[in-house]
Amino acid sequence: QKEVEQDPGPLSVPEGAIVSLNCTYSNSAFQYFMWYRQYSRKGPELLMYTYSSGNKEDGRFTAQVDKSSKYISLFIRDSQPSDSATYLCAMADNYGQNFVFGPGTRLSVLP
Amino acid sequence: ETGVTQTPRHLVMGMTNKKSLKCEQHLGHNAMYWYKQSAKKPLELMFVYNFKEQTENNSVPSRFSPECPNSSHLFLHLHTLQPEDSALYLCASSQDALGGEGMINYGYTFGSGTRLTVV
Repeated sequence: QKEVEQDPGPLSVPEGAIVSLNCTYSNSAFQYFMWYRQYSRKGPELLMYTYSSGNKEDGRFTAQVDKSSKYISLFIRDSQPSDSATYLCAMADNYGQNFVFGPGTRLSVLP
Repeated sequence: ETGVTQTPRHLVMGMTNKKSLKCEQHLGHNAMYWYKQSAKKPLELMFVYNFKEQTENNSVPSRFSPECPNSSHLFLHLHTLQPEDSALYLCASSQDALGGEGMINYGYTFGSGTRLTVV
């Protein structure tokens, strides 16, 4: 079993849709969670950083962590064509040091 | 210049060549990293430098050799590479701060990467 799994997509949605991106993991020691967005020919950029369980909201983005199910989600409300990118989740144990990345989900938001 | 800059953006090299990738961060961060990104695979951590000292080397073949002369610059020296080494090489930095269990990484800032093709 891979340490972090993501549906690779591609996921195509119409503009304005609510998007749900998900990661599952196997290591119950993971405490720190991040979501990155990567545009084509660019490096990943940090979107959300959360610690332990719960929700965190930033504009149109909401990150949700369910440690009991070993499952994290990123919700994008009112999706825009500019949200078309690959989304990577990353997580680390309680030492919060070297993060393990998922393979990424490619999202296309169609105008 | 702001953020993390990497040069060159693209590199094509033969298996017998020697080349170097360069990374510079303008953020005052205290940790720098090299990652390898291949198609449909997760980011693979290669090397970590904290306060200029190498702290991680994830079983990377010796044909990859990192160098960190100061806290702002990071190099990856390449020699006798194989075609399977073709990938996007990403440099990142972070400002690690003291947390409950030691130094905590509060998020990476990545460069745009060097697209390497080995022929």
